[in-house]
Amino acid sequence: GAVVSQHPSWVICKSGTSVKIECRSLDFQATTMFWYRQFPKQSLMLMATSNEGSKATYEQGVEKDKFLINHASLTLSTLTVTSAHPEDSSFYICSARKTGVNYGYTFGSGTRLTVV
Amino acid sequence: SQQGEEDPQALSIQEGENATMNCSYKTSINNLQWYRQNSGRGLVHLILIRSNEREKHSGRLRVTLDTSKKSSSLLITASRAADTASYFCATLIDAGKSTFGDGTTLTVKP
Repeated sequence: GAVVSQHPSWVICKSGTSVKIECRSLDFQATTMFWYRQFPKQSLMLMATSNEGSKATYEQGVEKDKFLINHASLTLSTLTVTSAHPEDSSFYICSARKTGVNYGYTFGSGTRLTVV
Repeated sequence: SQQGEEDPQALSIQEGENATMNCSYKTSINNLQWYRQNSGRGLVHLILIRSNEREKHSGRLRVTLDTSKKSSSLLITASRAADTASYFCATLIDAGKSTFGDGTTLTVKP
């Protein structure tokens, strides 16, 4: 199989603090992972592409200094929301694809971030 | 804007009925995927159809793809209350990125 684990599943933080979200591929290596953001009753919007050993590629309109991405190993990518504000409250989901498998991407279970 | 647009946005049916959701996209694709999302949860991959395929089946799911119309449909037959969820189509664009449609929220009443 291809399992992606995301942690935490939910987090509440105060405005101005930073929150780190982890995305792990449990049974495969992923040189590339993707981070999405989803507002209530809306679709997923791609935020950035996380590349192992190099800088992440951010989509237009996504602040790279606010959403720090680190892909330090072949099985772990982290997204840090820095100086969080209430408008950053959202559902964040990562995905990865196991090389050579053609059944699409495997998604993590998501992280519900609430900034108060 | 999103690559994919889906209709209907919301669909409510009785258990046992069939549910059909449609997805349209804008650019050329290599494949199209359908995902399911239960409320507040992650996405579950349902089925992938390649650009050279026209129809694909998986259990109670049937997916069609019309590349000339840039559209796809997902049919769930003999629906169950447990099928209640949001369904998204996604197209694979460059560098492995997936672009998602707006989604269809399906409610199956027992």
